[in-house]
Amino acid sequence: DIQMTQSPSFLSAFLGDRVVITCQASQDISESLNWYQQRPGEAPKLLMFDVSNLESGVPTRFRGSGSGTHFTFTIRSLQPEDAATYYCQHYDHVPSYTFGQGTKVEIK
Amino acid sequence: QLQESGPRLVKPSETLSLTCSVSTGSISSTSYSWGWIRQPPGKGLEWIGTIYHDGSASYNPSLKSRVTMSVDTSKNQFSLRLSSVTAADTSVYYCASLRMWGRSRFFDSWGQGARVTVSS
Repeated sequence: DIQMTQSPSFLSAFLGDRVVITCQASQDISESLNWYQQRPGEAPKLLMFDVSNLESGVPTRFRGSGSGTHFTFTIRSLQPEDAATYYCQHYDHVPSYTFGQGTKVEIK
Repeated sequence: QLQESGPRLVKPSETLSLTCSVSTGSISSTSYSWGWIRQPPGKGLEWIGTIYHDGSASYNPSLKSRVTMSVDTSKNQFSLRLSSVTAADTSVYYCASLRMWGRSRFFDSWGQGARVTVSS
């Protein structure tokens, strides 16, 4: 089974900061990688699919990159509404869907 | 667009049953499958399974022996049954639409979640 490992598990940053989250796959997953945001008390929300494709309506301050086993998710200028937990998620055509353990982003 | 319903309290060893009603679009769409994902208190997300409108389903191997999903196209609903539950199955259960776009697969819409507690 493919494991998805996110780091860090928690981060605290100031408004306007650049925030970077990494997601490591235990084996090559090409670009089969999505990102979700989950605000406290809410359902997850799709931000990005296939590494770097923004879902409709998602602000462009969110960016994704990577391929193979190493992926990064960046918030270019942290906003108050970005306080949330972010999950990477791998998919394959078995099918199976595996989430990372999540990264909680706090505003200082 | 998606709304979970069903009992929120289930006794140990019994069967958890939830239904997801799809209010926007047709559950028979060839562009979508339909999924269940759960989240134990304070923890991350776990995929339970997905089902296509023709009834073909795939399950997480760790839950496969206890999970059954079904679809009712006449009601635009799909359902989850999880048998022999224990306290470890206490979670928020989300239903979600899985968009299938070429080779891409992503959960693009989620229900608000159903908090289910397993307790006697």
